[in-house]
Amino acid sequence: NAGVTQTPKFRVLKTGQSMTLLCAQDMNHEYMYWYRQDPGMGLRLIHYSVGEGTTAKGEVPDGYNVSRLKKQNFLLGLESAAPSQTSVYFCATRGMPYEQYFGPGTRLTVT
Amino acid sequence: GENVEQHPSTLSVQEGDSAVIKCTYSDSASNYFPWYKQELGKRPQLIIDIRSNVGEKKDQRIAVTLNKTAKHFSLHITETQPEDSAVYFCAASIRGNSGGSNYKLTFGKGTLLTVNP
Repeated sequence: NAGVTQTPKFRVLKTGQSMTLLCAQDMNHEYMYWYRQDPGMGLRLIHYSVGEGTTAKGEVPDGYNVSRLKKQNFLLGLESAAPSQTSVYFCATRGMPYEQYFGPGTRLTVT
Repeated sequence: GENVEQHPSTLSVQEGDSAVIKCTYSDSASNYFPWYKQELGKRPQLIIDIRSNVGEKKDQRIAVTLNKTAKHFSLHITETQPEDSAVYFCAASIRGNSGGSNYKLTFGKGTLLTVNP
């Protein structure tokens, strides 16, 4: 099993460009999450989903949108990238009873 | 919302010594407290967790203690080894508006642990 995978691993964007990060899981987990990790800031929740077709805002949702059209995929979109969105993005799923499993991360640089 | 404070931000110990990392949380309704280890360039991985109906949990060289009254919990690593060097994050669960339980975590800012040979 691949567990939680993320595409792409690295990306450089110019300010104003858009992109979509893909998270895929093969563990049949209901809950999925998107975090961003910045130096000295820990992991901050952007958006999450409690099941197919549902999404909800986390701690830092501004500038991001998400979709969960299929149970196994959770997409994170940046409509108009800004330098403040330079970060490492982690996707996670929640297993039983509460453990979260993280993907390998996507390193995004916005210039 | 929940707020988790973690101290210290950096910790340097000699191999074989013990290391202690402390966290406090604000929401008295929180009832699940995991600890994650993140090696450089890698993903966070769960190393131990504790629920609020337990005061202490141990797994080989690592242990976690919880004081619900004071709203703090700690990670203890004994007989540290160089491979314990990493960033450690504590977290606390918070119950969401849609029902269910423990499906959102609030993380501390992390502790960089360095174990010197």
